Amino acid sequence: ETGVTQTPRHLVMGMTNKKSLKCEQHLGHNAMYWYKQSAKKPLELMFVYSLEERVENNSVPSRFSPECPNSSHLFLHLHTLQPEDSALYLCASSQYFSGELFFGEGSRLTVL
Amino acid sequence: AQRVTQPEKLLSVFKGAPVELKCNYSYSGSPELFWYVQYSRQRLQLLLRHISRESIKGFTADLNKGETSFHLKKPFAQEEDSAMYYCALKNGANNLFFGTGTRLTVIP
Repeated sequence: ETGVTQTPRHLVMGMTNKKSLKCEQHLGHNAMYWYKQSAKKPLELMFVYSLEERVENNSVPSRFSPECPNSSHLFLHLHTLQPEDSALYLCASSQYFSGELFFGEGSRLTVL
Repeated sequence: AQRVTQPEKLLSVFKGAPVELKCNYSYSGSPELFWYVQYSRQRLQLLLRHISRESIKGFTADLNKGETSFHLKKPFAQEEDSAMYYCALKNGANNLFFGTGTRLTVIP
């Protein structure tokens, strides 16, 4: 499969659950990103990894924990989330510096 | 800090009419601006970037530093242009920040 793939596409979890979102890119890029898309808000940059090192952590609460084990995979570990964390979480990849991001289809998260 | 503003949430035009989607930005450094588009049931993708100075699908955008704007224009809208359009700014740390988006509907 080519491009950027995100799993699961939909996730419903309680506030005490622990779950993870997964992103995989097959484009040979060296940077990966997590964005949060909520209704009526701009896409919010959460984390940026370049060459598997975190280069940006945009004041995200610690209940979101990213992991980038290699340049093709990116995870977002979720723990004790709040209902306001319900949103579409988008993963993207790029060649760092390029500005051209390739997005996945997103993981729709609902926190009950 | 940087900020991207798209004042119109919704914009409707008739097929064949000109279309302009507005984008204003604030950034203390030298910005790099982009337009991204999301068609129905497709993922978000790059449409064009200001440094390329190219026309993509008939769309152009000029960076106006005096007005801090990067409006997207097309002289004759087509039905297939109906989509969600996002303006984005790349800062000095190479991170991309998006506006809230404008939903364009082209009426047949």
